[in-house]
Amino acid sequence: DADVTQTPRNRITKTGKRIMLECSQTKGHDRMYWYRQDPGLGLRLIYYSFDVKDINKGEISDGYSVSRQAQAKFSLSLESAIPNQTALYFCATTSGQGDTDTQYFGPGTRLTVL
Amino acid sequence: GQNIDQPTEMTATEGAIVQINCTYQTSGFNGLFWYQQHAGEAPTFLSYNVLDGLEEKGRFSSFLSRSKGYSYLLLKELQMKDSASYLCAVLDSNYQLIWGAGTKLIIKP
Repeated sequence: DADVTQTPRNRITKTGKRIMLECSQTKGHDRMYWYRQDPGLGLRLIYYSFDVKDINKGEISDGYSVSRQAQAKFSLSLESAIPNQTALYFCATTSGQGDTDTQYFGPGTRLTVL
Repeated sequence: GQNIDQPTEMTATEGAIVQINCTYQTSGFNGLFWYQQHAGEAPTFLSYNVLDGLEEKGRFSSFLSRSKGYSYLLLKELQMKDSASYLCAVLDSNYQLIWGAGTKLIIKP
């Protein structure tokens, strides 16, 4: 089984709809992240959480909200989706231990907002 | 501002060697990562450098010069499966990852 899973894998929705993307991990990591990726741009950080009680805005948090329901679960919500939120969304985790801070990514959610 | 630059696209021949460069300007430095990303898939970890010098791992090597704000990823004996995007990312002083836009590597037979 995959260590980091995301649901749904693909979603098409309409402008104004509320959307929730979910992420679960079995790696036992404390730190979880949400990124979006657009063609020609690097990964951009939306929100991150270092533990259940610690949630922080990233570079592009406007229009998004998150919930850390448990150590293993981190959800991203688009309260009122707009077309420029069409992108590939990735969840990632790190242990935050040691120096490497390697990020482990989920398979991604392709979101299209019409 | 923080910035990471890498070429948008490179083309190489199967069996050859290719070097993908990355230059960075960040607020602090706590290491540099290279990730591989096949089209439509998640990035996967390739290498991590925090000290100057060359780190070798099989066909892939990564080099870092902190004084020059420069790194490269060297891929030897290229295979068709190496066709992918290669992402450079720097861990800044706040331990936040700053990502480059990625270099798309096209391998030709």
